[in-house]
Amino acid sequence: EAGVTQFPSHSVIEKGQTVTLRCDPISGHDNLYWYRRVMGKEIKFLLHFVKESKQDESGMPNNRFLAERTGGTYSTLKVQPAELEDSGVYFCASSQASGVQETQYFGPGTRLLVL
Amino acid sequence: AQSVAQPEDQVNVAEGNPLTVKCTYSVSGNPYLFWYVQYPNRGLQFLLKYITGDNLVKGSYGFEAEFNKSQTSFHLKKPSALVSDSALYFCAVRGRSGYSTLTFGKGTMLLVSP
Repeated sequence: EAGVTQFPSHSVIEKGQTVTLRCDPISGHDNLYWYRRVMGKEIKFLLHFVKESKQDESGMPNNRFLAERTGGTYSTLKVQPAELEDSGVYFCASSQASGVQETQYFGPGTRLLVL
Repeated sequence: AQSVAQPEDQVNVAEGNPLTVKCTYSVSGNPYLFWYVQYPNRGLQFLLKYITGDNLVKGSYGFEAEFNKSQTSFHLKKPSALVSDSALYFCAVRGRSGYSTLTFGKGTMLLVSP
């Protein structure tokens, strides 16, 4: 069974440009999460989808970030316009169950560098 | 609010020696606790989790973790370290109510020398 995949693996853009990150969860996983790790700091929650609905987007830093999950399959996270402080590693995770048995499985991450 | 502290940025251990990576947490009520590992240029891999029951949890690659409620700790351990265990280790907590968001620590780099 394929794991969580993310594309691209790396992205280098200039301040003010737009970048779109993609996450394909494990097949059949209704829960999809986005997290971000800024260099040397904690991995921080951004948002959570259940199928195509946003369950919790309390971690989204500002309105330059837009996440979608049309059809409840893959998700995209767009940053427009990108700022220097957006640099970091963006992780996607998915899970099948909720509650006690839930385990989130993570993708390899997208390393974003904004110059 | 929930939080996780990993007090050591780096842990150095010789191959064959036991290792411990420390984690303490703060959460309302009883926690769900997790350890993840990130190998160089790889994503986060799930190692083990504590839900309920035995305080000693066994996971992948010979790792185990001990839940201590009174000390609010969930230290990761392995009896005999391997050079291939060198990686970045993250502890995470999730509360039992509300959203299922994971709160992570800053991570601890484990370096195992030959």
